[in-house]
Amino acid sequence: GAGVSQSPSNKVTEKGKDVELRCDPISGHTALYWYRQSLGQGLEFLIYFQGNSAPDKSGLPSDRFSAERTGGSVSTLTIQRTQQEDSAVYLCASSLDPGAGEQYFGPGTRLTVT
Amino acid sequence: AQSVTQLGSHVSVSEGALVLLRCNYSSSVPPYLFWYVQYPNQGLQLLLKYTTGATLVKGINGFEAEFKKSETSFHLTKPSAHMSDAAEYFCAVSEWGNNRLAFGKGNQVVVIP
Repeated sequence: GAGVSQSPSNKVTEKGKDVELRCDPISGHTALYWYRQSLGQGLEFLIYFQGNSAPDKSGLPSDRFSAERTGGSVSTLTIQRTQQEDSAVYLCASSLDPGAGEQYFGPGTRLTVT
Repeated sequence: AQSVTQLGSHVSVSEGALVLLRCNYSSSVPPYLFWYVQYPNQGLQLLLKYTTGATLVKGINGFEAEFKKSETSFHLTKPSAHMSDAAEYFCAVSEWGNNRLAFGKGNQVVVIP
């Protein structure tokens, strides 16, 4: 079946602009995660959605970052007023079992802020 | 909070030789442990996981790992390296009730023919 998809695969934006990154999880997966992968910080957790529960936003690095998940499926990560330090690969993952089940990762969106 | 330590960012191994990647974790409760592999310009793919039960876990592509609670370790091994094993490998930990994964810094594996 189809895996996790993310779009765009690459995004170049100017400092100060807003960007939206999209994630389509595997159908039926109730849990959705966003991570950020950068050279300096490695892989960092950003946010977690589970069903209709309030998201766990504890990993978001600043209030410029926000995310939503509509209809329990597609998720959008928004970064406002982008900064150069936001340049990274943003990975989305979904899971059928948020307790101990594996997370399935998408290919990521490479964001470059110039 | 849970954390993972992977030493040696770059690991070189000869084709046919043993692959050994070390992972030590810190967790306040019994952990769930994972090894993921990342090929260039791709997402992460699960190699294997430990949740409960048998402490020696076998995964895909001939990899296995052993959970040792006394040593807080979850080292990854493969008896004989193939050229196709060249990739970046990440150890990760999560705790029941805390669904995020905490990752190590990764090991970039280079296979020498």
